[in-house]
Amino acid sequence: GENVEQHPSTLSVQEGDSAVIKCTYSDSASNYFPWYKQELGKGPQLIIDIRSNVGEKKDQRIAVTLNKTAKHFSLHITETQPEDSAVYFCAAQGGSEKLVFGKGTKLTVNP
Amino acid sequence: DTEVTQTPKHLVMGMTNKKSLKCEQHMGHRAMYWYKQKAKKPPELMFVYSYEKLSINESVPSRFSPECPNSSLLNLHLHALQPEDSALYLCASSYRGAWEQFFGPGTRLTVL
Repeated sequence: GENVEQHPSTLSVQEGDSAVIKCTYSDSASNYFPWYKQELGKGPQLIIDIRSNVGEKKDQRIAVTLNKTAKHFSLHITETQPEDSAVYFCAAQGGSEKLVFGKGTKLTVNP
Repeated sequence: DTEVTQTPKHLVMGMTNKKSLKCEQHMGHRAMYWYKQKAKKPPELMFVYSYEKLSINESVPSRFSPECPNSSLLNLHLHALQPEDSALYLCASSYRGAWEQFFGPGTRLTVL
């Protein structure tokens, strides 16, 4: 089955800096890769996703890149703000209806 | 309406109790999910209802029992739980399969 590795487990940046979180997956058949943001006491929020026929996708300060050959994808957050502080999970489609999640990255943006 | 709602927000129960968690969505999604999330861990899939067909994670114990009365509602019936079942229980829905799953806020369950 699918296996997703996520790094780093914790990331601390200064406000205004960029943050990058990386994930690798094992199943070359996976074709959908979402990113979720989870704030304390809340459910995960879908912030951006990418499908295997696309190499990069942007939404304002957030971008995701996908390298299918290397089987890795990354989340890029530019101009970070304190409200970006949260736990971020990457995931890969592991079967027709299943998402397999990475272990999460706790991002702290220091004012 | 782009929201998944879950009730209750918090639940404390004893090991001999029977309780139910509820989830509702009005986005016309045809797949609904229950996940369990322990502290500092990712969500772990328990059950999927897709087009009224149930798929089960084989590792989920029988003291958890899902029910899907219709395509907008999903329940999770709890019976004879153990303290290690204490966790955040998340409901999610999607229009099709794994793509664009939207999560509810979760029910924080404590088993005494």
